[in-house]
Amino acid sequence: AQSVTQLDSQVPVFEEAPVELRCNYSSSVSVYLFWYVQYPNQGLQLLLKYLSGSTLVKGINGFEAEFNKSQTSFHLRKPSVHISDTAEYFCAVSETSGSGGYNKLIFGAGTRLAVHP
Amino acid sequence: DVKVTQSSRYLVKRTGEKVFLECVQDMDHENMFWYRQDPGLGLRLIYFSYDVKMKEKGDIPEGYSVSREKKERFSLILESASTNQTSMYLCASSLEGQADTQYFGPGTRLTVL
Repeated sequence: AQSVTQLDSQVPVFEEAPVELRCNYSSSVSVYLFWYVQYPNQGLQLLLKYLSGSTLVKGINGFEAEFNKSQTSFHLRKPSVHISDTAEYFCAVSETSGSGGYNKLIFGAGTRLAVHP
Repeated sequence: DVKVTQSSRYLVKRTGEKVFLECVQDMDHENMFWYRQDPGLGLRLIYFSYDVKMKEKGDIPEGYSVSREKKERFSLILESASTNQTSMYLCASSLEGQADTQYFGPGTRLTVL
């Protein structure tokens, strides 16, 4: 079974500084990778996804992530963060479930990004 | 825009009570999911459904059951609530063949006393 490790549970950063949120996944033949964001008191929303093609994926709100197959990583980056980016960020990998062949998501534990003025 | 709604934002129940959590989506999605979210553990899949009256166990189904009588509605049932089921419960939906691009509801924070 797939697993996802988010290496930092909390990341404090000052406004306008760059940030990287780290994500590693367990090895597989092929993977689909995702970053979701959860703003306070809200559900999750998709930030970006890697299915195939270019290893650098751009998402909403200026975020991007790079798929690195040799390091089994999918780190999320933003060159300059805003106060409004304060949220919890979840990395996820798609896995095929059981005999039915259905796809499902396996989530990491989450990284809480706190942007300070 | 896809909208996924959950019946309650906050719920307080007593140990042993039967609890129903309701989820409704308005975009005719085939797939629906129930997760629980706990600090330090992320989201864990309880049950999912790919069609009406169809259900599949997720990673932590023990103590839960589900019902999907209509395409737009997916219910999570705690037959006899226990304190270790105190958690945030999130519902999600997605199109057929796109189970990995899910749309989430705002969550229900359940406290079992």
